[in-house]
Amino acid sequence: SQQGEEDPQALSIQEGENATMNCSYKTSINNLQWYRQNSGRGLVHLILIRSNEREKHSGRLRVTLDTSKKSSSLLITASRAADTASYFCATGPDNTDKLIFGTGTRLQVFP
Amino acid sequence: GAVVSQHPSRVICKSGTSVKIECRSLDFQATTMFWYRQFPKQSLMLMATSNEGSKATYEQGVEKDKFLINHASLTLSTLTVTSAHPEDSSFYICSATGEGRGETQYFGPGTRLLVL
Repeated sequence: SQQGEEDPQALSIQEGENATMNCSYKTSINNLQWYRQNSGRGLVHLILIRSNEREKHSGRLRVTLDTSKKSSSLLITASRAADTASYFCATGPDNTDKLIFGTGTRLQVFP
Repeated sequence: GAVVSQHPSRVICKSGTSVKIECRSLDFQATTMFWYRQFPKQSLMLMATSNEGSKATYEQGVEKDKFLINHASLTLSTLTVTSAHPEDSSFYICSATGEGRGETQYFGPGTRLLVL
């Protein structure tokens, strides 16, 4: 399977703490994207990082990409209860426009 | 933003019947649409990629005669689950990309299918 893996599978933290999720993938990529999914809902695009970028920020989100290790991380700073959701990384393999999703991290933020 | 809708949001059907799920891009022209399925507490698995006016490309292991995909216009793709069985019960999600939208896929809210 080409599917990437994320760790941890589940993460529980208190409001105000930072949450870090890691993603590893298998193929060479054009870009890597992070998505968020609330329970039973569709996905919301959070951030895209291209293969020639190493770090990207968007608000409280910080994404890193290490193509030599085929890995990425998503950091959510100063977490809020509303950040509770599942987070998925998705890679765009070379020469295709499809996405391969990771296994996901279920984040629970307690107030 | 880019809005993608799905209809219905939830459907219950009897085994052996066929179910059609619609995916619409509301404010942009979707040159490509993707169909995924997601089992509880699992990730999304890509089923097929459909480009407007051409046949869908199915992922390995996905039966094209079982999951019929039609992308007849730049704003609508349909997935028909034919002769549904209980094991087809799942969450089906579509996404779309279009000109000027880059590599980002915009997802619909999903359709929960329960086959009795």
